[in-house]
Amino acid sequence: GENVEQHPSTLSVQEGDSAVIKCTYSDSASNYFPWYKQELGKGPQLIIDIRSNVGEKKDQRIAVTLNKTAKHFSLHITETQPEDSAVYFCAASSTNAGKSTFGDGTTLTVKP
Amino acid sequence: DTEVTQTPKHLVMGMTNKKSLKCEQHMGHRAMYWYKQKAKKPPELMFVYSYEKLSINESVPSRFSPECPNSSLLNLHLHALQPEDSALYLCASSLTSGADTQYFGPGTRLTVL
Repeated sequence: GENVEQHPSTLSVQEGDSAVIKCTYSDSASNYFPWYKQELGKGPQLIIDIRSNVGEKKDQRIAVTLNKTAKHFSLHITETQPEDSAVYFCAASSTNAGKSTFGDGTTLTVKP
Repeated sequence: DTEVTQTPKHLVMGMTNKKSLKCEQHMGHRAMYWYKQKAKKPPELMFVYSYEKLSINESVPSRFSPECPNSSLLNLHLHALQPEDSALYLCASSLTSGADTQYFGPGTRLTVL
């Protein structure tokens, strides 16, 4: 089955700095890679996603890059703000898998 | 409407009780999921329903019993739980069970005494 590794497990940055979280996956059949943000007391919410036919996708301060050859994808947050503080999960799935495999999560802390 | 609702928000039960968790979505999604999440851990998949049929059971103990009465509703029936079953139980839905975005509810915080 699919295995997703996520690094780092914790990340602390100053407000205004950039943050990068990286994930690797094992199943070459995986073709959908979402990133979820989970705030305290809430369920995970999608912040950005990318499919295997695209190398990069950007939405304002958030971007995701995908390297299919190396089987890794990354989340980039620029100009971080205190409200970006949360746990971030990457995930991977394929059309036929019937489920998503999640990374272990990264706790991001943005210091004012 | 991109909301998944879950009731109750909190539940405290004894080991001999029977209770149910409820999940509802009105996005026309045909896949629904139950996850268990412990503190500082990722969501752990329990069950997947696809087109109202159980498609994945991740070897979950029989004290957890899922039910999908229709395409909008998902229940999780609980019986004879153990204290280690205390966790946040998340429901999610997606258009299909393939490579689609999952929309999560806020979860039910379950405490087993």
